[in-house]
Amino acid sequence: AQSVSQHNHHVILSEAASLELGCNYSYGGTVNLFWYVQYPGQHLQLLLKYFSGDPLVKGIKGFEAEFIKSKFSFNLRKPSVQWSDTAEYFCAVNALYGNNRLAFGKGNQVVVIP
Amino acid sequence: GAVVSQHPSWVICKSGTSVKIECRSLDFQATTMFWYRQFPKQSLMLMATSNEGSKATYEQGVEKDKFLINHASLTLSTLTVTSAHPEDSSFYICSARAHRGTGLTDTQYFGPGTRLTVL
Repeated sequence: AQSVSQHNHHVILSEAASLELGCNYSYGGTVNLFWYVQYPGQHLQLLLKYFSGDPLVKGIKGFEAEFIKSKFSFNLRKPSVQWSDTAEYFCAVNALYGNNRLAFGKGNQVVVIP
Repeated sequence: GAVVSQHPSWVICKSGTSVKIECRSLDFQATTMFWYRQFPKQSLMLMATSNEGSKATYEQGVEKDKFLINHASLTLSTLTVTSAHPEDSSFYICSARAHRGTGLTDTQYFGPGTRLTVL
């Protein structure tokens, strides 16, 4: 079964700082990759996804993620964060062959200080 | 598009009673719906996968007789927590994956969750 690792569970940074959240997965086959965001008191929302094609994916709110197949990674980035980016971010992986279920990382709690 | 609702958003019940949670895909048909449980400051744990018109597939360690799942239509799945106990208190979240042909396939869209508190 696939597993997903997210490091640095708690991230605190100031507005305008750059953000990078790491995501590594363990599955050798073809995968779909996702980043979801959960703002305080709200439900999970899709931030961006990668299925195929250009490994650099742009999502909503200025976020982007890069799929590096050789490193089994799908890191999330934003060049300049805002206070409103305070949220929990989850990386998720869906193996296309096999159980086809979504495996989540443990999440990154990001706090942006104004 | 791709909106998923859950009802109720929160519920408090007495120990021993049963609670039903509904999950609806509002603007698309969902062949598959998933039920997750989220503990405070932790990730989502998949409980079961349900396909419309067939029995749900439960993850290891999840009691199928305690967590009854019904997926009667392409837009509705229900989770019934039977004989609830305080340890069942949690945040239950559903997601829906769209039917092929909708342009939304292979992506799960999440509901807002249901906070269950068992006294």
